[in-house]
Amino acid sequence: GAVVSQHPSRVICKSGTSVKIECRSLDFQATTMFWYRQFPKQSLMLMATSNEGSKATYEQGVEKDKFLINHASLTLSTLTVTSAHPEDSSFYICSAKLTGRASSYNEQFFGPGTRLTVL
Amino acid sequence: GIQVEQSPPDLILQEGANSTLRCNFSDSVNNLQWFHQNPWGQLINLFYIPSGTKQNGRLSATTVATERYSLLYISSSQTTDSGVYFCAASRYNTDKLIFGTGTRLQVFP
Repeated sequence: GAVVSQHPSRVICKSGTSVKIECRSLDFQATTMFWYRQFPKQSLMLMATSNEGSKATYEQGVEKDKFLINHASLTLSTLTVTSAHPEDSSFYICSAKLTGRASSYNEQFFGPGTRLTVL
Repeated sequence: GIQVEQSPPDLILQEGANSTLRCNFSDSVNNLQWFHQNPWGQLINLFYIPSGTKQNGRLSATTVATERYSLLYISSSQTTDSGVYFCAASRYNTDKLIFGTGTRLQVFP
């Protein structure tokens, strides 16, 4: 149980185009999902917290107009990189927290990641 | 926000050796997780351990919350254990998981 999927796994796009990445919790509901970015040989950096039915909360330094997040259902969050540029090339990873467990239970489960290359 | 530090940054072992990875965090936590990132980038959940001790096969972990550190033990290491190990923690009253810088483990036959 607690499987998170991402689509696509890899995407190459031209500079100036927009790219949408989907994150799904396959066998559980998640009112809260998270988006991370990882550059080569670096750690994961939290970009934003996605809450079902409400606006996402962005970390300092992350442009909300560039990285649009929508969490329309309890199993799906999407990240859209708008007007992508080469510096947006990175590995994007989502995670989800189980809903319905005790409030003291906070384990997160991660998707396999999406590798974005902007030419 | 919370600071998470890992040591050592790199570790090279011969197959069969044991190792201990350390994670220090700067505040009280409601979540502490250990992950193994495989060569394709997937994060594998190893332990959810905000406190106490857990074991899973050759791996075990201990978190001493009052002293703000966690340890991951790998016994009888195998080449398939190679990769990057991350710990991540979140402070009380927040779900934001902050990652450490990782320990890169290489196990040679």
